[in-house]
Amino acid sequence: QKEVEQNSGPLSVPEGAIASLNCTYSDRGSQSFFWYRQYSGKSPELIMFIYSNGDKEDGRFTAQLNKASQYVSLLIRDSQPSDSATYLCAVRGSGTYKYIFGTGTRLKVLA
Amino acid sequence: DAGITQSPRHKVTETGTPVTLRCHQTENHRYMYWYRQDPGHGLRLIHYSYGVKDTDKGEVSDGYSVSRSKTEDFLLTLESATSSQTSVYFCAISPGTAMYNEQFFGPGTRLTVL
Repeated sequence: QKEVEQNSGPLSVPEGAIASLNCTYSDRGSQSFFWYRQYSGKSPELIMFIYSNGDKEDGRFTAQLNKASQYVSLLIRDSQPSDSATYLCAVRGSGTYKYIFGTGTRLKVLA
Repeated sequence: DAGITQSPRHKVTETGTPVTLRCHQTENHRYMYWYRQDPGHGLRLIHYSYGVKDTDKGEVSDGYSVSRSKTEDFLLTLESATSSQTSVYFCAISPGTAMYNEQFFGPGTRLTVL
């Protein structure tokens, strides 16, 4: 069974700090990686995706991918209370239509 | 927002009854998915479709069936509902298999089986 692992949290950070969310995956053939944010009672919404080793930045968000270590992370700079949510890591393997999700990390940004 | 609707949004039913959930999209995307989300388990794939009449099983397909007779509609049927199928069900769509193709999620259906 291909797996995606995330620490369930909660991860608590003060307002204005950097939040670091991590995800590991077991399928070495995985090619693309997605971070979703899910507010309580709502559906997941995409924050960003990455498929090349290294960093990808989009506003306050940076995704980092290390395929050798099978590790992907999401950094949120200048965290705001409105960033408090569950963050889901999703992985899509090579040549597949399927996405495997981690169980999510709950982030709390303290005002 | 991607044009995805799910119906019903909430349903309470009795054990042993059949239940059908509907996902409707206006995006003409090829791929459609049904997930369930439970505390501690995250999103788990039930079934997915890669075209009209083309479907396949996900990791938790037992007790569920699907049908897709039109591009825009993907139906999930619980043949005989059980309490273990109490969950929040999300439909998702995706335009293709390119590496950057994301999934867009519907608003979810909360199903309670008594």
